[in-house]
Amino acid sequence: EVQLVESGGGLVQPGRSLKLSCAASGFTFSDYNMAWVRQAPKKGLEWVATIIYDGSRTYYRDSVKGRFTISRDNAKSTLYLQMDSLRSEDTATYYCATHPFGVLGYWGQGVMVTVSS
Amino acid sequence: DTVLTQSPALAVSLGQRVTISCRASKSVSTYMHWYQQKSGQQPKLLIYSASNLESGVPSRFSGSGSGTDFTLTIDPVEADDIANYYCQQSNELPDTFGAGTKLELK
Repeated sequence: EVQLVESGGGLVQPGRSLKLSCAASGFTFSDYNMAWVRQAPKKGLEWVATIIYDGSRTYYRDSVKGRFTISRDNAKSTLYLQMDSLRSEDTATYYCATHPFGVLGYWGQGVMVTVSS
Repeated sequence: DTVLTQSPALAVSLGQRVTISCRASKSVSTYMHWYQQKSGQQPKLLIYSASNLESGVPSRFSGSGSGTDFTLTIDPVEADDIANYYCQQSNELPDTFGAGTKLELK
């Protein structure tokens, strides 16, 4: 059974940092492109970043470029999202998902990030 | 960015056929995918590449379209289908989602 389990969320002040993790199991993690997608409270879905299966390339939405870093450790089957210089508009539930060929096939249960003073 | 436009809400009766539309601001070929999100849960993939049913998804769900106009059809609607539905394009980065269509019971 495919499982994606996010962790690392919480309440953080504006301008501070937070690192999310996503532990994967039930599939060959190193074969899959992976993504982070977020959802602000009562709002729709927003793609944040994608990393290629071997970590060789990364892609970001403009609003997080230079502040967020997506990475992965294939030996640990874990995906990460380092979030720096956080803003109130980054407040959301963050989901990790498999992202082969642009399709978000499997999703984690999500982790909440609240940016507030 | 490619903007995807969905109707905000649809009211349906159980057993009815319902069509949810998604219009793209430019052609996305068939790089359109559909997700269901129930309250308090993560999204779930229903249809990929416009018309391909994801494994394990009931056959009452179907998708069609290409270019700029796409539809997700549920026939017949069951109580378990009451949820929000999102379209997503992966033709060009950034991937974008529609704002979602809330399926409600009449």
